[in-house]
Amino acid sequence: GENVEQHPSTLSVQEGDSAVIKCTYSDSASNYFPWYKQELGKGPQLIIDIRSNVGEKKDQRIAVTLNKTAKHFSLHITETQPEDSAVYFCAASNGNNRLAFGKGNQVVVIP
Amino acid sequence: DGGITQSPKYLFRKEGQNVTLSCEQNLNHDAMYWYRQDPGQGLRLIYYSQIVNDFQKGDIAEGYSVSREKKESFPLTVTSAQKNPTAFYLCASSTQLPVAKNIQYFGAGTRLSVL
Repeated sequence: GENVEQHPSTLSVQEGDSAVIKCTYSDSASNYFPWYKQELGKGPQLIIDIRSNVGEKKDQRIAVTLNKTAKHFSLHITETQPEDSAVYFCAASNGNNRLAFGKGNQVVVIP
Repeated sequence: DGGITQSPKYLFRKEGQNVTLSCEQNLNHDAMYWYRQDPGQGLRLIYYSQIVNDFQKGDIAEGYSVSREKKESFPLTVTSAQKNPTAFYLCASSTQLPVAKNIQYFGAGTRLSVL
C-alpha cells in the first residue's frame, strides 16, 4: 500500500519567517494530496489540498507544490504567525477512498 | 451547525469492558472513517464505510467493531480484545461526488483511557 513520509519531524521558525514541510509518497498512482493542521486536543482541519493535474496551489499565506516525477509534495507557510504553531499532517490517496497519512510535523513559531 | 460530532470527548474503560464511541454527521456524506492516533504517530485507519450497511477493515481492525445502520451514524466499539486501547480516536466523513472525492472532514475526537 501507499507509504507517506514527512520531514522534518519538528520545525522551529522565527515569527515572520517561512516554514517548509516536505512529504514523499511511494505509490505513483496517488493523485490527491491534502494537508491537515491539528491543534492540541482537536481534530485535524483541512488547510489545503492539491490534485495531480496541477503543480502548485496557493491560498493566502499557504501554498502546496507537487513534483510527481520525484513523488514528493511540500507545504509552504509564509510570514509565519504564532497561531501557525500546530502539528501538520500530509496524506496521499490513489482515489480508492482511503488516505495514507504521514506521521506529522510539529511546527513551533517563536514570537 | 453542520459537521461531525463525536461523543463523548473523554472516555474511561475498565478491564474487560466494551465501550462504544459515537460519531454522527449531518453533511450527507456517504463515506465515514475511524482512525486511531497515538502520540507522535500519524493517523491509522481502523474501519471505514462507503455506504450504509457496508464497511471494510482498515489497517488495525483487530479488537474493534463497527456498524453502519444509518447514513449519518458510524459508531465504533472498542472490545475487550483490544489490549492497548488508550489513544485519541478520530472519526471522519467524505462525499463520493467526483469533484470532492477523498476530501475527509474530521470530528473533534474522543480520548479513551484505561482505568
